[in-house]
Amino acid sequence: GENVEQHPSTLSVQEGDSAVIKCTYSDSASNYFPWYKQELGKRPQLIIDIRSNVGEKKDQRIAVTLNKTAKHFSLHITETQPEDSAVYFCAASLYQFYFGTGTSLTVIP
Amino acid sequence: DAGVIQSPRHEVTEMGQEVTLRCKPISGHNSLFWYRQTMMRGLELLIYFNNNVPIDDSGMPEDRFSAKMPNASFSTLKIQPSEPRDSAVYFCASRTDTDTQYFGPGTRLTVL
Repeated sequence: GENVEQHPSTLSVQEGDSAVIKCTYSDSASNYFPWYKQELGKRPQLIIDIRSNVGEKKDQRIAVTLNKTAKHFSLHITETQPEDSAVYFCAASLYQFYFGTGTSLTVIP
Repeated sequence: DAGVIQSPRHEVTEMGQEVTLRCKPISGHNSLFWYRQTMMRGLELLIYFNNNVPIDDSGMPEDRFSAKMPNASFSTLKIQPSEPRDSAVYFCASRTDTDTQYFGPGTRLTVL
């Protein structure tokens, strides 16, 4: 089955700096890669996603890149703000979703 | 749309008791997923259904756990008998074949 690895497990950045979270996957058949943000005590919520026929996607301060050959994808958050502090999960999917282990991001004001 | 609905939101029970968690997926979604989240083990897929049929239950911890989906708008996850190590947040999620998963608010289960 699919195996998704996510790094780093924790990340602290100063407000205004950029944050990058990386994931790798093992199954080349996976074709959909969402990123979820989970605030403390809340449900995971989709923040951005990318499909295998696209290399990059942006939504304001958030971007995701996908390298199908290397089987890795990354989340980029620019101009970080304290409200970006949360746990971020990547996932790879063909039918079911395989989640990474999460990255706890702390943005220091 | 109300989103994925789960009940109860919080459940506190004693070891050995039966626990039933309920989920109503988003209308029109044909896949439903049950996850368990703990600090130690992260987000674990327990089972998922497609068109009300269980497709993969390899994540169900043991025979104490069972899940059903009698129709397209309702699913249950049952733990019998419950144990303290079952304490976790249980999420239900649903999706269509071409869309992302949407999570419910979760049920926080505490087994004393």
